[in-house]
Amino acid sequence: NAGVMQNPRHLVRRRGQEARLRCSPMKGHSHVYWYRQLPEEGLKFMVYLQKENIIDESGMPKERFSAEFPKEGPSILRIQQVVRGDSAAYFCASSLLGDGNTEAFFGQGTRLTVV
Amino acid sequence: GQQLNQSPQSMFIQEGEDVSMNCTSSSIFNTWLWYKQDPGEGPVLLIALYKAGELTSNGRLTAQFGITRKDSFLNISASIPSDVGIYFCAGPSNSGYALNFGKGTSLLVTP
Repeated sequence: NAGVMQNPRHLVRRRGQEARLRCSPMKGHSHVYWYRQLPEEGLKFMVYLQKENIIDESGMPKERFSAEFPKEGPSILRIQQVVRGDSAAYFCASSLLGDGNTEAFFGQGTRLTVV
Repeated sequence: GQQLNQSPQSMFIQEGEDVSMNCTSSSIFNTWLWYKQDPGEGPVLLIALYKAGELTSNGRLTAQFGITRKDSFLNISASIPSDVGIYFCAGPSNSGYALNFGKGTSLLVTP
């Protein structure tokens, strides 16, 4: 499967725990984007990364959220001390080029539920 | 920031009918993308448009990039039950890196 791979598909965390979401981009893609989707809403941009660099994190909350895309391995979106409002679907996308005019391909998402 | 307005918000149609939905932007776009999202899945790219006035087809789907570069249309002909899902339009964000998405058009098709 050469598509964008996300895991886990579903994640349940208690308030205060940490959530780690993983994303492996499509083969050959070095541009990764994270989006969050609340129920009945469209996707909202969170962060854009290239290998080892955060390029744009303007959509990511300043506290508790962080993202990385190491030289080796998947991109990680990390949410510390989760709260109920963090419950959402988190999607990763990758593209060949790093601009919004390029087609981005999405993974199946991780559905986070905070209880 | 950029606003993407999709309409209608939802559609409930019978199998075999044609469907039309549109998206308008508060600013000019160089690219319009149309995605479909099935329940519990990620968005899947349907059609990409790169030029004002462009008309592109993908099977029973046809999309157009508006001349003003501020709107786009997606048409589905002869709908079938598997067309059910949420259709999103998207365009480049102000930063130029990411995508802005509309809120989606939810399509229900009855046999």
